[in-house]
Amino acid sequence: QKEVEQNSGPLSVPEGAIASLNCTYSDRGSQSFFWYRQYSGKSPELIMSIYSNGDKEDGRFTAQLNKASQYVSLLIRDSQPSDSATYLCAVNTHASGGSYIPTFGRGTSLIVHP
Amino acid sequence: ETGVTQTPRHLVMGMTNKKSLKCEQHLGHNAMYWYKQSAKKPLELMFVYSLEERVENNSVPSRFSPECPNSSHLFLHLHTLQPEDSALYLCASSQTPPGGHTQYFGPGTRLTVL
Repeated sequence: QKEVEQNSGPLSVPEGAIASLNCTYSDRGSQSFFWYRQYSGKSPELIMSIYSNGDKEDGRFTAQLNKASQYVSLLIRDSQPSDSATYLCAVNTHASGGSYIPTFGRGTSLIVHP
Repeated sequence: ETGVTQTPRHLVMGMTNKKSLKCEQHLGHNAMYWYKQSAKKPLELMFVYSLEERVENNSVPSRFSPECPNSSHLFLHLHTLQPEDSALYLCASSQTPPGGHTQYFGPGTRLTVL
């Protein structure tokens, strides 16, 4: 069973701080990595995707990928109370028959307090 | 609005009932997914269809039966469910291959089994 691990939190940070969310995965063959945000009572929505080692920045968000360490992270700069949500890490993993399927982590709950 | 719709949004059914969940995507995607989301558990992938063929079944009980008549529509037929099947059922779509592209989620169907 291919796994994606996240600390469930909650991670509590003050407004304006940097929030750091981490994710590890077990399938060395994984090639596609995603961070989704899910507000309470809503469905997940994409924050960032990353496919190559290194950093990818989009506004206040930076995704970091290290395939050698099987580690992907999401940094949120200048955290706002509106960033309070559960952040889901998703990785494409091998399934039976050689195809790929998405596998989600448990999610990390982020609380940004004023 | 994400372009993925689900009906009904809420469903209450008895253990002996038969019902169906419907998902429709207007994004031109050719992969569709059913997920189960229960409290304090990771998002569980139930079924994946790519180009209208089932890719992954993931050991889902036979009381759940998917149907994908075309690339825009996905159904989940339910019969003789158990109370532990109460959860939020999410549909998603993406480009192929499954897991390799951003998924767009519908709003979900909140299912309660009495």
